[in-house]
Amino acid sequence: GIQVEQSPPDLILQEGANSTLRCNFSDSVNNLQWFHQNPWGQLINLFYIPSGTKQNGRLSATTVATERYSLLYISSSQTTDSGVYFCAVEHSAGSSNTGKLIFGQGTTLQVKP
Amino acid sequence: DTEVTQTPKHLVMGMTNKKSLKCEQHMGHRAMYWYKQKAKKPPELMFVYSYEKLSINESVPSRFSPECPNSSLLNLHLHALQPEDSALYLCASSQDPGGLAYNEQFFGPGTRLTVL
Repeated sequence: GIQVEQSPPDLILQEGANSTLRCNFSDSVNNLQWFHQNPWGQLINLFYIPSGTKQNGRLSATTVATERYSLLYISSSQTTDSGVYFCAVEHSAGSSNTGKLIFGQGTTLQVKP
Repeated sequence: DTEVTQTPKHLVMGMTNKKSLKCEQHMGHRAMYWYKQKAKKPPELMFVYSYEKLSINESVPSRFSPECPNSSLLNLHLHALQPEDSALYLCASSQDPGGLAYNEQFFGPGTRLTVL
């Protein structure tokens, strides 16, 4: 099956710093999503980005589908950005979606005041 | 409204109990999902329902029994669970898993299950 690798596994930042999280995947995908899981377990949608670049406030993401990686940029980090960031992909099955999201192991981010 | 709701938030049950987890969405989505997440691990897919029919079962033990009464509701019936089944159970929904390019999944807040 498709493999999803995230790096780094852990990241500690001082408030105000910038960071880049990476997601590598081993095969072509129909769907790629970035999530932030808060301490209560809620998975919050950050980006739906199977290809291209998107920005939302201090966050932006880029997926280069031909090279099988995606990057999540966090600028001017805040303590509320702390939590686990997951990349998840849906493997292509011909032209149709399967709905089967495969998650990476996540990056645990701690932002210190 | 991109909201998926789940009840209960927390559940403690014994190994001989029968209980059910419930999930609801009102976004008009036609696909619904159950995921299981153990502590410090990523979510893992259990079941996919597409147009109220079970389309994917990831070899889940029969003590977990999913049900999709209509396109807005998804249940997970639990019976004779083991302590290792303790986990966060997440429900998700998406617009249409079969053929459309856009298939973003939205997650509920989860049910934290403890099996004694």
